[in-house]
Amino acid sequence: EIVLTQSPGTLSLSPGERATLSCRASQSVSSNYLAWYQQKPGQAPRLLIYGASSRATGIPDRFSGSGSGTDFTLTISRLEPEDFAVYYCQQYGTSPYTFGQGTNLEIK
Amino acid sequence: EVQLLESGGGLVQPGGSLRLSCVASGFTFSNYAMNWVRQAPGKGLEWVSGISDGGDITDYADSVKGRFTISRDNSKNTLYLQMNSLRAEDTAVYYCARGIYGSGWFPWGQGTLVTVSS
Repeated sequence: EIVLTQSPGTLSLSPGERATLSCRASQSVSSNYLAWYQQKPGQAPRLLIYGASSRATGIPDRFSGSGSGTDFTLTISRLEPEDFAVYYCQQYGTSPYTFGQGTNLEIK
Repeated sequence: EVQLLESGGGLVQPGGSLRLSCVASGFTFSNYAMNWVRQAPGKGLEWVSGISDGGDITDYADSVKGRFTISRDNSKNTLYLQMNSLRAEDTAVYYCARGIYGSGWFPWGQGTLVTVSS
């Protein structure tokens, strides 16, 4: 099983700042099938990034993904108030499909 | 609009059974693999099970293998999860999600809560 470790666990920033979230895999992610999801309280996860760096439909360009192999990053260039939420990475290349434990992005 | 709507959750005693449903609309259901993902209260996301577009290939997390069965009825645009021998640790919100080959999982349903307690 591929274990995904996200860091930091909690990130405290202010609107307008840049956020950098990390996701490290215990082994190489097949075909860089790495996704990022945003989840707000009481809501389902929302796909942001797939294939490590492709933005999903309707996702603002302040969200970007990068990385390959075992190290991946989600960057939010300028935080908007609606961006404060929990973010999960997921590898969907190898079963069992696993998620990271999440990064809680909170308002400072 | 592409949409998924789960139902069937509720309170069940340990050892009991429950069947979840997920009705799809706004897309050709039979063209896509589907997945179930759960989230225990206050916890992260855990993949539970997946099924191919035609229903001939199924896959399970070790935590549910032998107890849960995923299936689909493409004529009814519906995905199912039959859950038997339920345990307290199965308590969670269960989401269905469409898999797009190589492109992540989108959309997700709103979830249905399963509570296993005596």
